[in-house]
Amino acid sequence: SYELTQPPSVSVSPGQTATITCSGDQLGEKYVCWYQQKPGHSPVLVIFQNNRRPSEIPERFSGSNSGSTATLTISGTQAMDEADYYCQAWDSSTVVFGGGTKVTVL
Amino acid sequence: EVQLVESGGGLVQPGGSLRLSCAAFGFTFSNYAMTWVRQAPGRGLEWVSSISRTGVRTYFADSVKGRSSISRDSSKNTVYLQLNSLRADDTALYYCAREWQQLTYWGQGALVTVSS
Repeated sequence: SYELTQPPSVSVSPGQTATITCSGDQLGEKYVCWYQQKPGHSPVLVIFQNNRRPSEIPERFSGSNSGSTATLTISGTQAMDEADYYCQAWDSSTVVFGGGTKVTVL
Repeated sequence: EVQLVESGGGLVQPGGSLRLSCAAFGFTFSNYAMTWVRQAPGRGLEWVSSISRTGVRTYFADSVKGRSSISRDSSKNTVYLQLNSLRADDTALYYCAREWQQLTYWGQGALVTVSS
C-alpha cells in the first residue's frame, strides 16, 4: 500500500518560515492536499491540488510538489499556526494520509 | 453554509456493531462523493471509506474491509457507515468529510469506544 512520510515535529520562531515535507514514491505525479488540525478541533483543508488555497486560508500558506516530495510552507509564521499538519494523496481510489507533523511556534 | 453533522457514536462491546450517520447541509448532496476518516486517541488521521456521488462505487481501507459498509440516502442528505465485528483498535473519533480526492469540509466527529 502507498505510504506518505512526514517529520514528527517542526519548530519555528514567530515571523519565520516553517517548512513541512511529505515524501512518497513518485508523489510528484499525484495531487497532494494539506490539513491543519488544532487540539480538540476537526481538520481544516489549507492546500489542495498541490498549491491551491481555499479562499478563507491566509496567503502565508503555500504548497509545492515535485519528484517524491511535497512541501507545505508557512511564511511569517504566527502563534495561531501552531497545530498538527497532515499531508494527503489519492492513490488507486484510496485516500492516504501522512503521519502528521506537529508545528511548534517558539 | 456547509455543515456535516455526525451521530450514532457510543460505547460498544467487542464484536458488536454500530451505524454512524452524517447529515449534510448547505450544499447539493448528490453532487459530491463522501468520505469517512477516523482518528484514534492521540493518533493521526486514518481513511476509512468513501462512496461516490451516486453510491454505486464504494471503497474501504484494509483495516475495515469485509466488516463495514457505506451507503447514502439522497432523500435525507445523509451518508452512513456500518461497522461490524468491532475491535478495541476501532476506538476512534469518526469524521465525515465532503468529497474524496480532497476533503474540503469536515464534521465535528462521532466518538466510537469499543470496550467491555
